Amino acid sequence: QKEVEQNSGPLSVPEGAIASLNCTYSDRGSQSFFWYRQYSGKSPELIMFIYSNGDKEDGRFTAQLNKASQYVSLLIRDSQPSDSATYLCAVNNNNDMRFGAGTRLTVKP
Amino acid sequence: DTGVSQNPRHKITKRGQNVTFRCDPISEHNRLYWYRQTLGQGPEFLTYFQNEAQLEKSRLLSDRFSAERPKGSFSTLEIQRTEQGDSAMYLCASSPRGLTYNEQFFGPGTRLTVL
Repeated sequence: QKEVEQNSGPLSVPEGAIASLNCTYSDRGSQSFFWYRQYSGKSPELIMFIYSNGDKEDGRFTAQLNKASQYVSLLIRDSQPSDSATYLCAVNNNNDMRFGAGTRLTVKP
Repeated sequence: DTGVSQNPRHKITKRGQNVTFRCDPISEHNRLYWYRQTLGQGPEFLTYFQNEAQLEKSRLLSDRFSAERPKGSFSTLEIQRTEQGDSAMYLCASSPRGLTYNEQFFGPGTRLTVL
């Protein structure tokens, strides 16, 4: 079992729709959870992070965390073609950050 | 530009040669990380510094890899006797000092091609 699992995709949504990205993790001691966006050939860019159960909203992005289910998700509202990228889930336990392989999102105009 | 910087951005070398990469973290950050990323995979942890101390090193890292952060500012990653399997993007990230959630900010990366 991988430490951080994501569907590789591709996930395709029409412009203006909600994109839902999911991530599960195996380390129950994990303390903080991150979503990064990575455009092709570029480095990861931090979108947002969450550390408490529940939802955290930042603009069009909402991160959701359920520690009991070891599940993290990212919702992107009003998806734009510029959101097309690979989204990496990362899970941190005491400065030990583990990344998933990413989900490729395509937003079609 | 106050972000993480890495040099060079691209490096092409022949198998068996040594290469060295540099990372300059965000100035107020005291934690620095090196990762390696290959196509279709997430970043894979290599090593971690807090100030000048190297606190963790991946067990997957062979003894051909070494990293330093001599004054707690910039860091270098050296790969000796490069192999074709070392071809990857090498990423550096830094994280703020103090009680944080370890949010890490990445540099642009150094893409290594070993011929």
